[in-house]
Amino acid sequence: DVKVTQSSRYLVKRTGEKVFLECVQDMDHENMFWYRQDPGLGLRLIYFSYDVKMKEKGDIPEGYSVSREKKERFSLILESASTNQTSMYLCASSRSGGGTGELFFGEGSRLTVL
Amino acid sequence: DQQVKQNSPSLSVQEGRISILNCDYTNSMFDYFLWYKKYPAEGPTFLISISSIKDKNEDGRFTVFLNKSAKHLSLHIVPSQPGDSAVYFCAVKRNLNNDMRFGAGTRLTVKP
Repeated sequence: DVKVTQSSRYLVKRTGEKVFLECVQDMDHENMFWYRQDPGLGLRLIYFSYDVKMKEKGDIPEGYSVSREKKERFSLILESASTNQTSMYLCASSRSGGGTGELFFGEGSRLTVL
Repeated sequence: DQQVKQNSPSLSVQEGRISILNCDYTNSMFDYFLWYKKYPAEGPTFLISISSIKDKNEDGRFTVFLNKSAKHLSLHIVPSQPGDSAVYFCAVKRNLNNDMRFGAGTRLTVKP
């Protein structure tokens, strides 16, 4: 059974704190993604990675960075959290190559920045 | 600039009737179109997809229609069941790209 696991389901942080969101997949997928979900805006792509140590900016990378040191793990980092980063964060993975590239999602991490 | 638009934030239908969810996209270069379903407190799960060379794909109660000239796709659920109540996202992808773009979602409520 395929699985994408996000380390924290709920986090509360203060403005200016550094925040780490961790994601691990057990499907040996090459691609990993971070999205945020906000009401009325849907899922917006923050960053993705198609290989270890490789990363690509998505549509809203400002204020975020990522790290992929191992194939199975993809971390999202908020260097200095701000209130407008309060959101649901979703990690996903997929196999590389052409085709539909179906994404497998984790359960999400709800971050509140006070 | 949104590449994928779902203009109906919500839809309510009676159990047993048809649910039709709509999605519009801006770029004719997309090769694959997908629908995901999301329950509260869970991640989205893949539901059904269609490639740009087809105009219809069916899987049980779910059918996706693609109108390339109008850059429009729709998801039909027949018959609708209360367990179908969820948020539905459409998504688009180019064949050799790894990333996927999503719409804003439509919340479907199926009333018993």
